[in-house]
Amino acid sequence: EAGVAQSPRYKIIEKRQSVAFWCNPISGHATLYWYQQILGQGPKLLIQFQNNGVVDDSQLPKDRFSAERLKGVDSTLKIQPAKLEDSAVYLCASSHITASLVIQYFGAGTRLSVL
Amino acid sequence: DQQVKQNSPSLSVQEGRISILNCDYTNSMFDYFLWYKKYPAEGPTFLISISSIKDKNEDGRFTVFLNKSAKHLSLHIVPSQPGDSAVYFCAARGNAGNMLTFGGGTRLMVKP
Repeated sequence: EAGVAQSPRYKIIEKRQSVAFWCNPISGHATLYWYQQILGQGPKLLIQFQNNGVVDDSQLPKDRFSAERLKGVDSTLKIQPAKLEDSAVYLCASSHITASLVIQYFGAGTRLSVL
Repeated sequence: DQQVKQNSPSLSVQEGRISILNCDYTNSMFDYFLWYKKYPAEGPTFLISISSIKDKNEDGRFTVFLNKSAKHLSLHIVPSQPGDSAVYFCAARGNAGNMLTFGGGTRLMVKP
């Protein structure tokens, strides 16, 4: 079974530029998550999708961050304009509800450096 | 407001000995606790979990203990192996939806 795919793996941009990350979840997984992991910290949830609908985006800085999952499969996360404090690893995860505990499976992440 | 805390940023143990990683939480509404393991340049991978109604769950060399009154859980790895060297994250799930709150992680180094 293929895992969660993310691209690009690395991205370096100047502040005020825009950037987009792509995620392809595990086949059949209805729920998709985007996390931000700042160096030395644990992942922090930005947004959760169920199919193509948003379940939770309470921690997404909506003035500069946006995410979509138009067909309920792939997803993109965009930052526009980027700030220095956006430097982090952006992790995508997916899950399939089969039992009471829903395990999230993570991709390798995109490491963003904002200069 | 850190609802999940891992107070030890790093831990070093000898191969064959026990590794004990600790995690504290503040929200009594969490219903599941999970441990994830992360190698460099990879995403976190699920290791083991425990429901809030249990106090122990074991899977091979890995055992998680939950003390609800103290709002504390720990991961025991016995015996520790060099391949266990990684960053371990404790995570907790709220009982509304599947949102996970992660601790800051503990870097485990197992020396041969």
